[in-house]
Amino acid sequence: SQKIEQNSEALNIQEGKTATLTCNYTNYSPAYLQWYRQDPGRGPVFLLLIRENEKEKRKERLKVTFDTTLKQSLFHITASQPADSATYLCALVSGGGADGLTFGKGTHLIIQP
Amino acid sequence: DAGITQSPRHKVTETGTPVTLRCHQTENHRYMYWYRQDPGHGLRLIHYSYGVKDTDKGEVSDGYSVSRSKTEDFLLTLESATSSQTSVYFCAISPVVSGNTIYFGEGSWLTVV
Repeated sequence: SQKIEQNSEALNIQEGKTATLTCNYTNYSPAYLQWYRQDPGRGPVFLLLIRENEKEKRKERLKVTFDTTLKQSLFHITASQPADSATYLCALVSGGGADGLTFGKGTHLIIQP
Repeated sequence: DAGITQSPRHKVTETGTPVTLRCHQTENHRYMYWYRQDPGHGLRLIHYSYGVKDTDKGEVSDGYSVSRSKTEDFLLTLESATSSQTSVYFCAISPVVSGNTIYFGEGSWLTVV
């Protein structure tokens, strides 16, 4: 069966360090992979999209890598700040279907001052 | 923020009663989605729409129906609410299919007692 796995345990990182979150998937051939941020009591907010033919994408302090051989995406936040504390979701799109995205369960990131 | 309004934002209802959640968008996006989010399960797609009167089932559609009579409105109905439908419901929209960013509403918290 298809699976998207993100580390379910909270990730504690000291302010100023790089936070790295992992998204692994099985039995998918995703055309796209996206990362979203979700704050408590709010809806998810889009951060970055990476296509299957791209290895890396950057936006300000954020970097995403996509390895279709390893079936893995890494999400990096450099120079992390307490305001980066949130739950981060990865989501896959496979094929051309209209049925939206399939989401991982998310990783809760805590940046400690 | 994307122009998405969900109503009601919070509702407590009794088992067996019908409930309708409304999603209204001002972006004129073609695609609309209803997700539910539960601890341990993450976001799961209930139903989606790819145009007026065009809808289809998602991963967890049992016990739910939807309607879209206008581009801007997508209604989710629980015909006879059950305690297992206690959840946070998110509406989402996207302009095109397959990999495009999805924009989420702020959520509707439903408690079935």
